[in-house]
Amino acid sequence: DVKVTQSSRYLVKRTGEKVFLECVQDMDHENMFWYRQDPGLGLRLIYFSYDVKMKEKGDIPEGYSVSREKKERFSLILESASTNQTSMYLCASPKNNEQFFGPGTRLTVL
Amino acid sequence: AQSVTQLGSHVSVSEGALVLLRCNYSSSVPPYLFWYVQYPNQGLQLLLKYTSAATLVKGINGFEAEFKKSETSFHLTKPSAHMSDAAEYFCAVSDPSGTYKYIFGTGTRLKVLA
Repeated sequence: DVKVTQSSRYLVKRTGEKVFLECVQDMDHENMFWYRQDPGLGLRLIYFSYDVKMKEKGDIPEGYSVSREKKERFSLILESASTNQTSMYLCASPKNNEQFFGPGTRLTVL
Repeated sequence: AQSVTQLGSHVSVSEGALVLLRCNYSSSVPPYLFWYVQYPNQGLQLLLKYTSAATLVKGINGFEAEFKKSETSFHLTKPSAHMSDAAEYFCAVSDPSGTYKYIFGTGTRLKVLA
């Protein structure tokens, strides 16, 4: 079975904290994606990576950075969390023209 | 540039009634099209996909969608709604170039009434 896992299902952080969201895929695929999901806005692409150490900005990269040191792992970093980054974060990786999603991390920034 | 429009952020149907969720797209190249479902507190699960083969696509859980190029539509249907179909549904478009970048619609929350 294809698996995309995310390190935490729920996370609560304080404003100004540095936050790491981890994603691991077992499909040996080059491409990995981070989206955020907000009510009424659907999914919006934050960053994606098409190979180790390669990254590209998506539609809403401000306030985020990413790290891809190994093929199977793609990390999303909030350098200084803010309340407007409270959201559901979804990681995805493709196989056979299909995106496979992790279960999501619901992040609350207080 | 590609875009997706889902008409109706909330749809209610009675159990046993027809489900119709609307999706229109715009794309400068022949697109790939997808419907995903999200149950509460879960990630997205693929229902079905169109990748330029048959225009009527059958998916899981009795859902199907028809690609209509002339109408730039990819509406999702199910003949008879079940309580377990209550969820949020997302339409998405990507280009077939291999980037796997999807553009998602804003979602439609389906409510099934007993």
